[in-house]
Amino acid sequence: GENVEQHPSTLSVQEGDSAVIKCTYSDSASNYFPWYKQELGKRPQLIIDIRSNVGEKKDQRIAVTLNKTAKHFSLHITETQPEDSAVYFCAAGYNFNKFYFGSGTKLNVKP
Amino acid sequence: EAGVTQFPSHSVIEKGQTVTLRCDPISGHDNLYWYRRVMGKEIKFLLHFVKESKQDESGMPNNRFLAERTGGTYSTLKVQPAELEDSGVYFCATSIGGKTQYFGPGTRLLVL
Repeated sequence: GENVEQHPSTLSVQEGDSAVIKCTYSDSASNYFPWYKQELGKRPQLIIDIRSNVGEKKDQRIAVTLNKTAKHFSLHITETQPEDSAVYFCAAGYNFNKFYFGSGTKLNVKP
Repeated sequence: EAGVTQFPSHSVIEKGQTVTLRCDPISGHDNLYWYRRVMGKEIKFLLHFVKESKQDESGMPNNRFLAERTGGTYSTLKVQPAELEDSGVYFCATSIGGKTQYFGPGTRLLVL
C-alpha cells in the first residue's frame, strides 16, 4: 500500500520567514495530494491541494509543488504569521478515495 | 452550512468496555470516511462508506471495530471490547462524490 513520509516533525520559524514542509510517497498511482492544517483543538482543514497533472499550485502565501518522478511534494508558506502556527498534514490519495497521511509537522511561528 | 459533527468530543472508558462514536455528515455528502490518529503518529484510514455501503474497510484493525451507516446518513463506529491500544483521536470526514474531504472535530478516546 501507499506510504507517506513527512519532514520535519517540528519546525520553528521567525514571523515573516518562509516555511517548507516536505513529503514523499511510495505509490506512483497516487494522483491527488491535499494538505490539511489543524490548529490546536480544532478540526483538520484543507488549505491547498494538487493533482498529479499539475506541477505547482499557489494560493496567496501558500504554494504546493509536486515532483511525480521523484514522488515528493512540498508545502511552502511565505511571510509566515503567528496564526500559521498549527500542525500540518500532507496526504496522498488515488481518485479521491482514502487518503494516506504523513505524521504531521508542528509549525511554530515566533512573533 | 453546518460542518461535519462528531459525538462525543471526548470519551474515557476502561479496558473491556464498549464505546460508540457517532458522525453526522454535511447534508448531501454521500461519502463518509473514518480515520484514527494514535498519539503523535499519522492519521490512518479505517473505512469508507458510499451512502450506506462499505466501499473499503481495509483499514479496520480487527473485528472489535464495527461501523455502520444505516440509511446513508449518520454513521457509528463501535469498539467492543475496547483495548488500551484503541486510544487515539477518531476523525470522520465526508465528501460529495468522493471529492474534497471535510473533517469533523474528532472524538478523543482514552482507554484505561
